[in-house]
Amino acid sequence: DTGVSQDPRHKITKRGQNVTFRCDPISEHNRLYWYRQTLGQGPEFLTYFQNEAQLEKSRLLSDRFSAERPKGSFSTLEIQRTEQGDSAMYLCASSLRSSPSEQYFGPGTRLTVT
Amino acid sequence: AQTVTQSQPEMSVQEAETVTLSCTYDTSESDYYLFWYKQPPSRQMILVIRQEAYKQQNATENRFSVNFQKAAKSFSLKISDSQLGDAAMYFCAYRSVTSGTYKYIFGTGTRLKVLA
Repeated sequence: DTGVSQDPRHKITKRGQNVTFRCDPISEHNRLYWYRQTLGQGPEFLTYFQNEAQLEKSRLLSDRFSAERPKGSFSTLEIQRTEQGDSAMYLCASSLRSSPSEQYFGPGTRLTVT
Repeated sequence: AQTVTQSQPEMSVQEAETVTLSCTYDTSESDYYLFWYKQPPSRQMILVIRQEAYKQQNATENRFSVNFQKAAKSFSLKISDSQLGDAAMYFCAYRSVTSGTYKYIFGTGTRLKVLA
C-alpha cells in the first residue's frame, strides 16, 4: 500500500495523559499536513511541513500540541496533558511540492479522551 | 478570512438519478483552487474533483462535474447516474494561491445517502 498511513487508528486515553500519533506520507511527497476533524465538522488545519521545516501553524495548535518531522519523512503529533475537548479525528495528508494543490489523506487517528 | 459554507447537511438520491451538492465560499482573492472530497464511512478522504479559479471551464471527472460560478462564489457538485458506492460525506474545500498558504479550508460537509 503506497498511500498515507497513520498509527494508531484509535486511541483512548485518560484526561491529563500525553499521546503521540504517527503519520507516514506517500514516499516521494515532501509536504505533510495535519488536520483535526470533530464530529459533524469538516477538517480544520493544524500545521504543515515542507521536508523537515514546519512552515505554518494554526492558532488551534495550542502549547500542548507539538508536531515534528525530523528527517523529512514521517511526522509525529504529540498532545500533552490531554483534555476532553481534544477528542477528535486527527488526519494527516501529504502532497508533492510540484503539485501542492492535491493533498492525499490518511485514514486518521481517532482520539477519545475520557 | 476565507470561509466555505455547505448549507445541506444531508441529501438523498435514488440510485441512477442525479444529485447536486451546494457549496459557497467567501474570499477576496482572485486565484485559488476549489475541491470536492469524498469521505466514505470509516475510510479516508479521497479527491473527487478539482477546479482552478482562473479556468472558466467547469471541471468534469466521469460522472462528477462542477458548476463553478466565480462571480457568485458558488461551486456545486453534480453526481450523475448515482451509485450505491457514492454514499459518503462530501466536503467542499478552498485553497488560496495568492497568499502562498497550502492549507485547505473545508466546509462542514454534506452527507449523501443513495437509495436503492
